[in-house]
Amino acid sequence: QSALTQPPSASGSPGQSVTISCTGTSSDVGGYNSVSWYQQHPGKAPKLMIYDVSKRPSGVPDRFSGSKSGNTASLTVSGLQAEDEADYYCSSYAGSNSLVFGVGTKVTVL
Amino acid sequence: QVQLVQSGAEVEKPGASVKVSCKASGYSFTSYLIHWVRQAPGQGLEWMGWVNAGNGYTEFSQKFRGRVTFMRDTSATTVYMEMGSLTSEDTAVYYCARNDYGSTWIAPWGQGTLVTVSS
Repeated sequence: QSALTQPPSASGSPGQSVTISCTGTSSDVGGYNSVSWYQQHPGKAPKLMIYDVSKRPSGVPDRFSGSKSGNTASLTVSGLQAEDEADYYCSSYAGSNSLVFGVGTKVTVL
Repeated sequence: QVQLVQSGAEVEKPGASVKVSCKASGYSFTSYLIHWVRQAPGQGLEWMGWVNAGNGYTEFSQKFRGRVTFMRDTSATTVYMEMGSLTSEDTAVYYCARNDYGSTWIAPWGQGTLVTVSS
């Protein structure tokens, strides 16, 4: 199972928006509405930010939103804040009771 | 609150085995799955597999099948990950994380356990 493709980095100024893509295949991202996004600050465990493509867990700000088109999912962070600076990983169900993660994107708040 | 607390850092020699524990609290232990994910230094997340804490059934990424074992102790509400034939490429932080039946997201995560393989 190959890792999902993400851009290595993305950036934006405070208050701006940044969108991160996550590209897979019809066997994972494109085949299921089961994409999740995780935020990881340095030295910390990942935190779930989006599940089932576009749903937000309780406590996650509505500045975070997700979408999917074909084999590519996207995470958008609107109204960027300093605390949004982190690594972001997508994940997808890949069939046969398995998951696959993306390679990760480092978001920098300028 | 739901919490997963993992065992402390380990240093092992090449060829040895390591066992990492993940103690769950704050929820019905046997009603969920526990996934294991690892992260090599400076690298991304890598899914390893999961164990059904209720019946002990396991699934593994093909990469780890045959070299990794997941076990659970329901009386201690603890899940264990054991990996054998360690090499330097297994140096990583190992995370456990909870998963609900039928869902494909994992949360919350344990704090992580650093396993260092060095001669």
